[in-house]
Amino acid sequence: EAGVAQSPRYKIIEKRQSVAFWCNPISGHATLYWYQQILGQGPKLLIQFQNNGVVDDSQLPKDRFSAERLKGVDSTLKIQPAKLEDSAVYLCASSPGQGDEQYFGPGTRLTVT
Amino acid sequence: GQQLNQSPQSMFIQEGEDVSMNCTSSSIFNTWLWYKQDPGEGPVLLIALYKAGELTSNGRLTAQFGITRKDSFLNISASIPSDVGIYFCAGSFSSGSARQLTFGSGTQLTVLP
Repeated sequence: EAGVAQSPRYKIIEKRQSVAFWCNPISGHATLYWYQQILGQGPKLLIQFQNNGVVDDSQLPKDRFSAERLKGVDSTLKIQPAKLEDSAVYLCASSPGQGDEQYFGPGTRLTVT
Repeated sequence: GQQLNQSPQSMFIQEGEDVSMNCTSSSIFNTWLWYKQDPGEGPVLLIALYKAGELTSNGRLTAQFGITRKDSFLNISASIPSDVGIYFCAGSFSSGSARQLTFGSGTQLTVLP
């Protein structure tokens, strides 16, 4: 079974630029999550989708972050404009339902200079 | 919000030794999970605990869901070099239709030959 796929794996941008990350969850998984992991910390949930609807985006900085999952499968996370403090690894995870066993992708390491 | 205190922050042990790490919370969780993260990869689920008092093993790993539902520990027996990595605890609680996963700050494990 293929795991969660993410791209790109690495991205370097200047502050105030825009960036987008892509995630393809495990086939058949209804729930998709985006996390931000700052160096030395555990992942922090940004947004949770159930199929193509948002379940929880309470910790998403909506002034600059946006995410969508239009067809209930792939998802994109966008940052516009980026700030230095956005430098982190952005992890995508999926689960079959709204259960707790989440499966993570390899992440995208973002560096904002 | 929910906060998890994970300790120790880092550990250096000799190959073959046993190791123990734990997480405590100020709030009750419904589920405890333990993940391992290797450099450049996403977290991988090791053990999931669903009932207070539950003790579950996965090979050389054993984890317990504290009876108060506010703590959990992970033991690794007879450590080997591939056990090196960062171990995260995560607690889950339900909030309406969302099930949020809160991560600890991680325990960095180094196994010396």
